[in-house]
Amino acid sequence: DVKVTQSSRYLVKRTGEKVFLECVQDMDHENMFWYRQDPGLGLRLIYFSYDVKMKEKGDIPEGYSVSREKKERFSLILESASTNQTSMYLCASTPGGKWTGELFFGEGSRLTVL
Amino acid sequence: AQSVTQPDIHITVSEGASLELRCNYSYGATPYLFWYVQSPGQGLQLLLKYFSGDTLVQGIKGFEAEFKRSQSSFNLRKPSVHWSDAAEYFCAVGASRGSTLGRLYFGRGTQLTVWP
Repeated sequence: DVKVTQSSRYLVKRTGEKVFLECVQDMDHENMFWYRQDPGLGLRLIYFSYDVKMKEKGDIPEGYSVSREKKERFSLILESASTNQTSMYLCASTPGGKWTGELFFGEGSRLTVL
Repeated sequence: AQSVTQPDIHITVSEGASLELRCNYSYGATPYLFWYVQSPGQGLQLLLKYFSGDTLVQGIKGFEAEFKRSQSSFNLRKPSVHWSDAAEYFCAVGASRGSTLGRLYFGRGTQLTVWP
């Protein structure tokens, strides 16, 4: 069965802390995505990656960075967390090549920044 | 610019009633269209998708959607709602070709409440 795992379901951090959100997929997918979900705003794309060591900015990349050192792992980094980054973060993956159209999502990481 | 509009933030229906969730999109090229569902505490799950061909597509859990190019719409329907359908529903649009394949634009979501 397809699996996207986000290591932390709930995190509480303080303003200014460095935060790592980890995402691992076991499907050998080339493409990985980080979305942010806020009530009334839907999902907004932060960063995505089509290959190892490759990254592309999405719609709201400010205040975030990413790392993709291995194909199965895509990390979202908040260099200095701020209260307006309190949100639900969703990781997703999809195979490269002929695309079936489905994004496979993790269960999300709910981050609270105090 | 690409965008998706879901005009209904919250819909309440009685169990057994029919359901229609609205979605309008703006996209510069031939789009791929999707409906995803998110149950409480869960990630998103694909309900159905439209790539080409028949404009009425069937999905999981008894849902269907109709693509109307002239209206730029992709409304989701279900003839008889079950209590387990209570969730948040997201419409999304993506590229049908090119370098942005796989990158989706989501609507703001419609929260569905089902009365017993």
